[in-house]
Amino acid sequence: GEDVEQSLFLSVREGDSSVINCTYTDSSSTYLYWYKQEPGAGLQLLTYIFSNMDMKQDQRLTVLLNKKDKHLSLRIADTQTGDSAIYFCAVSLSGGSYIPTFGRGTSLIVHP
Amino acid sequence: NAGVTQTPKFRVLKTGQSMTLLCAQDMNHEYMYWYRQDPGMGLRLIHYSVGEGTTAKGEVPDGYNVSRLKKQNFLLGLESAAPSQTSVYFCASSTTGITPYEQYFGPGTRLTVT
Repeated sequence: GEDVEQSLFLSVREGDSSVINCTYTDSSSTYLYWYKQEPGAGLQLLTYIFSNMDMKQDQRLTVLLNKKDKHLSLRIADTQTGDSAIYFCAVSLSGGSYIPTFGRGTSLIVHP
Repeated sequence: NAGVTQTPKFRVLKTGQSMTLLCAQDMNHEYMYWYRQDPGMGLRLIHYSVGEGTTAKGEVPDGYNVSRLKKQNFLLGLESAAPSQTSVYFCASSTTGITPYEQYFGPGTRLTVT
């Protein structure tokens, strides 16, 4: 089955850019997502990208997809303390039940 | 529109006790899911349902049962709780046929088994 890997922690200073990385194993992954989990809450979809795209930008968020290396990244520009959260990468295949496979989550800590 | 709600928010059980976690969604979603979240393990799928009256096993189904008698509700049961089932449980729902198949999550239930 699909395997999704993320580093567990990232620490940045307020105002810097954060880059959270994710790798996956199944090259037929079609939908790739980034979810955000704030303390004590459930996950919320932050952004997503389809496999026919290389990049997607949404305000301070930039998603980059390298299909050849099966690598997905999320860049947060001008990181704020409110961005401190756990970020989950998730991928799903086309067809079937579309159930995504989640990575273990990257804990982003933003220092003032 | 409440989205996905979970009951209860917290629970402490003794080993061997049983309980049922309730998930409800008001978005008319076909798919519903139960996950558990453990430190360093991310989200692991326990069971899921692709429609009323149907259920299927996920990655870690042992020790859990589920039922989807009504489209809006998805119940997760623990028949004989074990300390290894101490975790935070999340319910989620999603549509089908409309990309990007976003999952909507409930706020979670924190379960401790002593």
